[in-house]
Amino acid sequence: GAGVSQTPSNKVTEKGKYVELRCDPISGHTALYWYRQSLGQGPEFLIYFQGTGAADDSGLPNDRFFAVRPEGSVSTLKIQRTERGDSAVYLCASRSSGTNNEQFFGPGTRLTVL
Amino acid sequence: AQTVTQSQPEMSVQEAETVTLSCTYDTSESDYYLFWYKQPPSRQMILVIRQEAYKQQNATENRFSVNFQKAAKSFSLKISDSQLGDAAMYFCAYNSETSGSRLTFGEGTQLTVNP
Repeated sequence: GAGVSQTPSNKVTEKGKYVELRCDPISGHTALYWYRQSLGQGPEFLIYFQGTGAADDSGLPNDRFFAVRPEGSVSTLKIQRTERGDSAVYLCASRSSGTNNEQFFGPGTRLTVL
Repeated sequence: AQTVTQSQPEMSVQEAETVTLSCTYDTSESDYYLFWYKQPPSRQMILVIRQEAYKQQNATENRFSVNFQKAAKSFSLKISDSQLGDAAMYFCAYNSETSGSRLTFGEGTQLTVNP
């Protein structure tokens, strides 16, 4: 079946603008994760959904970042008033409750804030 | 909080040779999982191998094997018969069910395979 998909693949925006990044998880996966990977570093956890609710949003850096998963499938990461420091690759991963903690990753969205 | 450390920013190996990538971690939990992920330039994070902490036997997947030393909190990856396609960034990662299975990653090791 299809893997995790993320759109857009690349996004260039100007400082101060609003952006939305989309993640389509593997069908039937109940858990969904967002990570941020800055250049030359490992991914860092942002938020975790179990179903429709955010089970853990402790990784969101500030209140400019928000994520939703209204129907328990597709998730959108929203960033308001973007700053140059938000430039990074945003990775999404999904996991089924029966896969013994294995997360499947999407190809990421590269966000560039000019 | 859990931390994962990879002390080798870059490693290189000759094709067909063996290379070992190092990883150490810190945790107060007794039940957890450790992973090695491969990330080629395409950015797609690919799971290479996984180890459950309660298992004493080291995990193996074809040419990939780990040396898991729980007391030392060490988790190294050995790649045998290295191939050009193994060239990528490798990340060591940790998670546990108590943390909702969120992954904590190391800084990564860039592996170059020389023909």
